[in-house]
Amino acid sequence: GENVEQHPSTLSVQEGDSAVIKCTYSDSASNYFPWYKQELGKGPQLIIDIRSNVGEKKDQRIAVTLNKTAKHFSLHITETQPEDSAVYFCAASGGTASKLTFGTGTRLQVTL
Amino acid sequence: SAVISQKPSRDICQRGTSLTIQCQVDSQVTMMFWYRQQPGQSLTLIATANQGSEATYESGFVIDKFPISRPNLTFSTLTVSNMSPEDSSIYLCSVKSYNEQFFGPGTRLTVL
Repeated sequence: GENVEQHPSTLSVQEGDSAVIKCTYSDSASNYFPWYKQELGKGPQLIIDIRSNVGEKKDQRIAVTLNKTAKHFSLHITETQPEDSAVYFCAASGGTASKLTFGTGTRLQVTL
Repeated sequence: SAVISQKPSRDICQRGTSLTIQCQVDSQVTMMFWYRQQPGQSLTLIATANQGSEATYESGFVIDKFPISRPNLTFSTLTVSNMSPEDSSIYLCSVKSYNEQFFGPGTRLTVL
């Protein structure tokens, strides 16, 4: 089955700096890679996703890159703000009918 | 995106009792899932709730402990049976809509 590793487990950045979270996956058949943000006391919120037919996707301050050859994908947050503080999860799945496998999560703290 | 509500949002229960969690979606969806998130941990899939047939359980989860109903395309319930303190977790309903997966706000369960 799929195995997803996520690093770092915790990340502290100053407001305005960039944050990068990296994930690797094991199953070369995986083709869908979403990222979720989970704030305290809330359910995970889908913030961006990428499919295997593209290498990069951006949405305002958030971008995701995918390297299929190396089987890794990354989340980039630029100009971080205190409200970006949360736990971020990456995930991978192999198609529309297959289930998501989640990484272990990264606790991001943006300090003033 | 699909809007998901769960009831109750939280509960404190005595060991040996059962709790049923309800999940309501604002649109018809083909796939509904139930996840467990233990404190400070990632998300673990319990089962896929199938409309009109028995749920499909992941390894380590059984129907007698986590019976699931899915009477239609917008509603599902998860029951946590004969609870023990080890069942204290956040239980999350999730749906797949237009090839993206969304999560409800979660039910925070504490078993004493």
